[in-house]
Amino acid sequence: GAGVSQSPSNKVTEKGKDVELRCDPISGHTALYWYRQSLGQGLEFLIYFQGNSAPDKSGLPSDRFSAERTGGSVSTLTIQRTQQEDSAVYLCASSLQGGDRSPLHFGNGTRLTVT
Amino acid sequence: AQSVAQPEDQVNVAEGNPLTVKCTYSVSGNPYLFWYVQYPNRGLQFLLKYITGDNLVKGSYGFEAEFNKSQTSFHLKKPSALVSDSALYFCAVRAAGGYQKVTFGTGTKLQVIP
Repeated sequence: GAGVSQSPSNKVTEKGKDVELRCDPISGHTALYWYRQSLGQGLEFLIYFQGNSAPDKSGLPSDRFSAERTGGSVSTLTIQRTQQEDSAVYLCASSLQGGDRSPLHFGNGTRLTVT
Repeated sequence: AQSVAQPEDQVNVAEGNPLTVKCTYSVSGNPYLFWYVQYPNRGLQFLLKYITGDNLVKGSYGFEAEFNKSQTSFHLKKPSALVSDSALYFCAVRAAGGYQKVTFGTGTKLQVIP
């Protein structure tokens, strides 16, 4: 079956521009996660959705970052006024439901480069 | 707050030798523990998990991990390393119960030398 789909796969933007990253989770998965992977930094948690609500958004680095999820499916991560330090690979993952025992299924990520 | 520590940035092992990738965790209550692998230019893949029961869990590609509650560890092991095992390995923890995020370690690069 279809896995987690992220788009675009690569995004190059100028400093100060806004960007939107999209995630299509596996059908039927109610939990959705966003992580950021920087070189040598491991996986940094950003935000977690259960359905359309976000029980934990503690990882968003600043108020320039926001995310939403509609219809319990697609999620969009928006970064406003991008900075060079935002350059990273942004990973989306989904699981059957939050708090359960099932593993996360990851997309291939969006590589964001801010010039 | 929950956390995961992977003390080694890189582990080198000769092909055919046993390998161990270390992980310790901190969480309130009982943990759910996971290992993921990231091959070059590919997404993260689930390897194995500990939820409850036997402390030794077996997963994909011949990997296993041992849960040690007293040492709050969940080390990844394989009896005989293959060159194709060379990849980046991540340990992750989630607190059991409720709606909880999953916290990952910083990753350990495994290099298997022919």
